[in-house]
Amino acid sequence: GAGVSQTPSNKVTEKGKYVELRCDPISGHTALYWYRQSLGQGPEFLIYFQGTGAADDSGLPNDRFFAVRPEGSVSTLKIQRTERGDSAVYLCASSPTAGGLFFGPGTRLTVL
Amino acid sequence: GIQVEQSPPDLILQEGANSTLRCNFSDSVNNLQWFHQNPWGQLINLFYIPSGTKQNGRLSATTVATERYSLLYISSSQTTDSGVYFCAVERMDSSYKLIFGSGTRLLVRP
Repeated sequence: GAGVSQTPSNKVTEKGKYVELRCDPISGHTALYWYRQSLGQGPEFLIYFQGTGAADDSGLPNDRFFAVRPEGSVSTLKIQRTERGDSAVYLCASSPTAGGLFFGPGTRLTVL
Repeated sequence: GIQVEQSPPDLILQEGANSTLRCNFSDSVNNLQWFHQNPWGQLINLFYIPSGTKQNGRLSATTVATERYSLLYISSSQTTDSGVYFCAVERMDSSYKLIFGSGTRLLVRP
């Protein structure tokens, strides 16, 4: 079916606000990942889910960032008290048991 | 941590030309992927290639894991090949976590 989808495609917010970014993985993929890409850089790992649980959240930059995947499918990345330095493209990817990662189109977050 | 270096950082080609992109990594890895990020930002999975050679149309990739490098070949380049090419490796101790290089920015001119 369809690939990984992410909403919104663009989000502009003010410093200090709360934002939620959504990811719909490829159907049947048990693994889900969030990455962040700054301008001119490669993506950087944030968090990995296997099923409903966060197997590794070591890439989250601080406790303002949190992600959930309550039913083992859709995931939401939540950012509290946004800062200008949070501006980036947030990428979601999913993976089958083996065979590499498949990325969504990303959400471009701009914090003014 | 593991370092992933890509070369060249920038490349300009005339349509129809061939090119080779290189990825060096500093430690043993479980796997390696090549991605193309198009001008709209979409990352497209090109190859999942821990070792050996794979081909897909005008693209092919070779990974020599024992020497810690991978090569991406683009033949008869087209303007639609423009974008950024990323190499990403999976560390041995956390195979789900990709470490990306900084990319090769390719522009193919008509």
